[in-house]
Amino acid sequence: EEQLVQSAAEVKKAGESLKISCKGSGYDFTSYWIAWVRQMPGKGLEWMGIIYPGDSDTRYSPSFQGQVTISADKSISTAFLEWSSLKASDTAMYYCARQTSWDDGLHVWGQGTTVIVSS
Amino acid sequence: QSVLTQPPSVSAAPGQKVTISCSGSISNIGTNYVSWYQQLPGTAPKLLIYDDNKRPSGIPDRFSGSKSGTSATLGITGLQTGDEADYYCGTWDSRLNPGGVFGGGTRVTVL
Repeated sequence: EEQLVQSAAEVKKAGESLKISCKGSGYDFTSYWIAWVRQMPGKGLEWMGIIYPGDSDTRYSPSFQGQVTISADKSISTAFLEWSSLKASDTAMYYCARQTSWDDGLHVWGQGTTVIVSS
Repeated sequence: QSVLTQPPSVSAAPGQKVTISCSGSISNIGTNYVSWYQQLPGTAPKLLIYDDNKRPSGIPDRFSGSKSGTSATLGITGLQTGDEADYYCGTWDSRLNPGGVFGGGTRVTVL
């Protein structure tokens, strides 16, 4: 079964760093893009950025450029989303999802990682 | 303010049909494929439609997608109580800083 499994929920303080993960299985992890999507409490979906694990080609939404870092380690079929200094406004659910090309649909989704940041 | 515009809510009785619109521009819907997602309460989104009108395996044909110019539409026929959810359109935007974009979401209520 093709799936993405995300790391567990995190509770952090403002100013701390954090790296959450998204592990792919059941398919060639290096041949598909992985997107990260934010959903703040009670709000809609926001596209954050995308990475191609095969060559680590990465693109960011202007809204998230410089605020987060997206990376991948193809040797362990895992993509990451990282913050160097969390803010209370980073409190949200974060999803990773897989797509074949930029304008392809997000066919496979992770279960989501809840991040709670206290001020 | 989302790049793609959806109505906040639509409603209909069981068995009826609803349509959800998604309005964009030439740089996103007008140029790239549109996808639609269903998010049931407390769950991750699920792909309903990709490439404007294709259904992944397992998605019933009660769900359909179409596109014309810079607008797309999701149709749901034979509405069921289990269809109560938030629905989002999404696509790629090919502007100077290209990236993915979503609509603001539409809550479907089964009366």
